[in-house]
Amino acid sequence: DTEVTQTPKHLVMGMTNKKSLKCEQHMGHRAMYWYKQKAKKPPELMFVYSYEKLSINESVPSRFSPECPNSSLLNLHLHALQPEDSALYLCASSSPGGVYEQYFGPGTRLTVT
Amino acid sequence: KQEVTQIPAALSVPEGENLVLNCSFTDSAIYNLQWFRQDPGKGLTSLLLIQSSQREQTSGRLNASLDKSSGRSTLYIAASQPGDSATYLCAVWGNNDMRFGAGTRLTVKP
Repeated sequence: DTEVTQTPKHLVMGMTNKKSLKCEQHMGHRAMYWYKQKAKKPPELMFVYSYEKLSINESVPSRFSPECPNSSLLNLHLHALQPEDSALYLCASSSPGGVYEQYFGPGTRLTVT
Repeated sequence: KQEVTQIPAALSVPEGENLVLNCSFTDSAIYNLQWFRQDPGKGLTSLLLIQSSQREQTSGRLNASLDKSSGRSTLYIAASQPGDSATYLCAVWGNNDMRFGAGTRLTVKP
C-alpha cells in the first residue's frame, strides 16, 4: 500500500480561525513532509520530520505549526492565516535520508477568507 | 541555492508520438532526482526516482536519464496516449531541500 491520505480535502477558514490539517501513512515510513503549492506554481518544501523529530523548517511563519504525534501521523496546525496562505497543502512520506522515493497525498485545498 | 528548470513549459503532441521532457539543475550535489505527474487540482504521482549514482530508470513506457555532472535529466515517454496529458514535474533532493521545476504541461491529442 503506497497511499498517503490527507483530510480534509477542502478547507475554508477565516483569518481568526484555528484549524488543523491531517496526514496519515501506513507504509512504515519514518520521514514525513509538508509542502505548499500555490496555483500554477511548483510545490515548496515547508517542514520535514525524521523519526518524529522536526529536522527541517524552511523559514515558515509561526502561524503554521507542525506536529508529528507518531510515526504514521503528521498534522499542520493553522492559526491567524492570511489570504495569501490560500494554497494546496501537500503531505509526503518516505524512508529517512535523501535517497528514497517520496509518496504524496492528494492534498488539502485551503482557502483563507 | 539550487535552481531547477524545465523545458518546454508546454507541449502538445498527437497520440502515438514519442516525446522528451527536459529538466536541468544548477547544483550537481544531489542525492536523487524524481519525476512526478500532476493532474489539475490533484496531488503528485511519483513516476521514477533516479538516485545520484544511477544513470537511468525505466518503468513501462517511461525512461528517465540523469547526467549529474552536466546537471540534466530527461524523461522519455514512448507511444504517448491521451491519458498521459498532465503536468510533469522534476524535483531534486540535495542539501536538505527538495526543489521542483515549474513543470511541463503535456497535452496528447487523440
